[in-house]
Amino acid sequence: QVQLVESGGGLVKPGGSLRLSCAASGFTFSDYYMTWIRQAPGKGLEWISHINIRGMTIYYADSVKGRFTISRDNAKNSLYLQMSGLRADDTAVYYCATETPGEGAFDHWGQGTLVTVSS
Amino acid sequence: QLVLTQSPSASASLGASVKLTCALSSGHSSYGIAWHQQKPEKGPRFLMKVNGDGSHSKEDGIPDRFSGSSSGAERYLTISSLQSEDEGDYYCQTWGTGIWVFGGGTRLTVL
Repeated sequence: QVQLVESGGGLVKPGGSLRLSCAASGFTFSDYYMTWIRQAPGKGLEWISHINIRGMTIYYADSVKGRFTISRDNAKNSLYLQMSGLRADDTAVYYCATETPGEGAFDHWGQGTLVTVSS
Repeated sequence: QLVLTQSPSASASLGASVKLTCALSSGHSSYGIAWHQQKPEKGPRFLMKVNGDGSHSKEDGIPDRFSGSSSGAERYLTISSLQSEDEGDYYCQTWGTGIWVFGGGTRLTVL
């Protein structure tokens, strides 16, 4: 079955960097767009970045533009999020999710990885 | 601006039905949305997509008790024969070119 496993979260100081990974299995990774979504403690869901199949079309939410970089390696069935210039308000659980091309809906989700930005 | 509005909370009795609402912002009344369920300490789960014409397509394995519908700029998720396991947060989600948006979520309590 479809499985998405995020990793790389942890405690980082303000201004620091972190790289998240999302390992995909149980489906043809290169058939899907991929997305990162985050959820601050006790808050709702926030879309932050999207990448198409070949990585040629990328979008970011304004809240992370210029600080975060999304990428994917279809040969390794993996999605990444390089985060830099981290701030306290980036503290959240970060989820990866799939999107069937053109559908718009996020149809499979991972279990998330927690990023805490604190001195 | 593409915005989704949900009531923060809803409640209904065990075995009853509940209808959750997601309202699209002005100018976006034809957009489709998706419904996601999130239980405490878990990642969200995709339930279904609801189109502007009211048709919906459910994810495999979602019980028949869950259905979607539409009226104007509102999209609905109806859960019938409520069970205790249906408690959780329900988010609607929509999309445009280069943007994906979530509603604020509705916390459903089963009494």
